[in-house]
Amino acid sequence: QQKVQQSPESLIVPEGGMASLNCTSSDRNVDYFWWYRQHSGKSPKMLMSIFSNGEKEEGRFTVHLNKASLHTSLHIRDSQPSDSALYLCAARGSALGRLHFGAGTQLIVIP
Amino acid sequence: EAAVTQSPRNKVAVTGGKVTLSCNQTNNHNNMYWYRQDTGHGLRLIHYSYGAGSTEKGDIPDGYKASRPSQENFSLILELATPSQTSVYFCASGVSLGKNTLYFGAGTRLSVL
Repeated sequence: QQKVQQSPESLIVPEGGMASLNCTSSDRNVDYFWWYRQHSGKSPKMLMSIFSNGEKEEGRFTVHLNKASLHTSLHIRDSQPSDSALYLCAARGSALGRLHFGAGTQLIVIP
Repeated sequence: EAAVTQSPRNKVAVTGGKVTLSCNQTNNHNNMYWYRQDTGHGLRLIHYSYGAGSTEKGDIPDGYKASRPSQENFSLILELATPSQTSVYFCASGVSLGKNTLYFGAGTRLSVL
């Protein structure tokens, strides 16, 4: 059983719409979360990270974290076709430097 | 930007053969990782290293060995390749503490026939 669960598996949104992606860890030791974005045929690249309860915004991207429920969410407003990619959530437990990734959410933005 | 180079980029191997995947980083990062990516599984950790001379088992180490001869280089070795090891393999590097962002190589697509 994966320690990091992501939902939905796939998401289709129209250009200009809002995309909301979810991620939950089953490891009570988790203290850091990352969101990585992977375009087709490319390697994952870190998009945003969050370590404290609350919200963090960078341009069109907003990340929320609720540490009590070990849940993080990524919201993309004014979605663009270039946002179409696999979004991977990663969580770090107490082990130094060791991340666990979820299976990802495939986002498709329709022009 | 952080640089992680993998070789080869594509590899076709025969069942039972030996395969070595190489990774080089110029970031002076302590930690290096090998992941495999399969549809529906995301990235799964095979082996990782905290520094030269160290290797640790990840979540799916069976059938794989790793070698970290220097700070810059980290290899993944399949002594007896099997078709179930057909996958895309990613190497990554990162610092031990703090934000621990991982920097990934371009990936190696391995097919075991």
